[in-house]
Amino acid sequence: GAGVSQTPSNKVTEKGKYVELRCDPISGHTALYWYRQSLGQGPEFLIYFQGTGAADDSGLPNDRFFAVRPEGSVSTLKIQRTERGDSAVYLCASSLQGSGGYTFGSGTRLTVV
Amino acid sequence: EDQVTQSPEALRLQEGESSSLNCSYTVSGLRGLFWYRQDPGKGPEFLFTLYSAGEEKEKERLKATLTKKESFLHITAPKPEDSATYLCAVVGGAQKLVFGQGTRLTINP
Repeated sequence: GAGVSQTPSNKVTEKGKYVELRCDPISGHTALYWYRQSLGQGPEFLIYFQGTGAADDSGLPNDRFFAVRPEGSVSTLKIQRTERGDSAVYLCASSLQGSGGYTFGSGTRLTVV
Repeated sequence: EDQVTQSPEALRLQEGESSSLNCSYTVSGLRGLFWYRQDPGKGPEFLFTLYSAGEEKEKERLKATLTKKESFLHITAPKPEDSATYLCAVVGGAQKLVFGQGTRLTINP
């Protein structure tokens, strides 16, 4: 596609529920990144994929967070047992081989009530 | 650990009033310093990449400069449509963007 697509754009869920956030990167981009942005803050790194494998998952806050990219294209960020503190905008970016030119999607606004 | 600090946190200017935003950084093996613009409810939009001290890049009313410790985003004769949050980020050896907290810029007509 022409840009990075994230769905849904908004998600409201109840505390304790499971959610999946989807990212469809620019075609041909092998590097994919997930970030989390709280109100008034800069984006905070979560995880980076190079192809199908997670090259760096050091930003995942705990084991309730997990991400996959099974075919090296679309990625899904999965959050189990959601907590109110998980409420934020989740941003996805892709890059050609992680060499710069990072393009961001519009994000998914997650609200845990 | 790579770190980025932006100042000021917020800046209000009158239309036509030039100013600069600061980005101070520490990074192991700088591979690039990036400036992004972010409008409310949207993802960051790429503006510039700078790779080495002394480098400068310009786009319309914006000019980015880089030293070994900081970067400046100069805005000349701004217009209300330049109002946004401006984000600075660095990429070092870890090959991931590390962002500052951003500067919220408001241009009053």
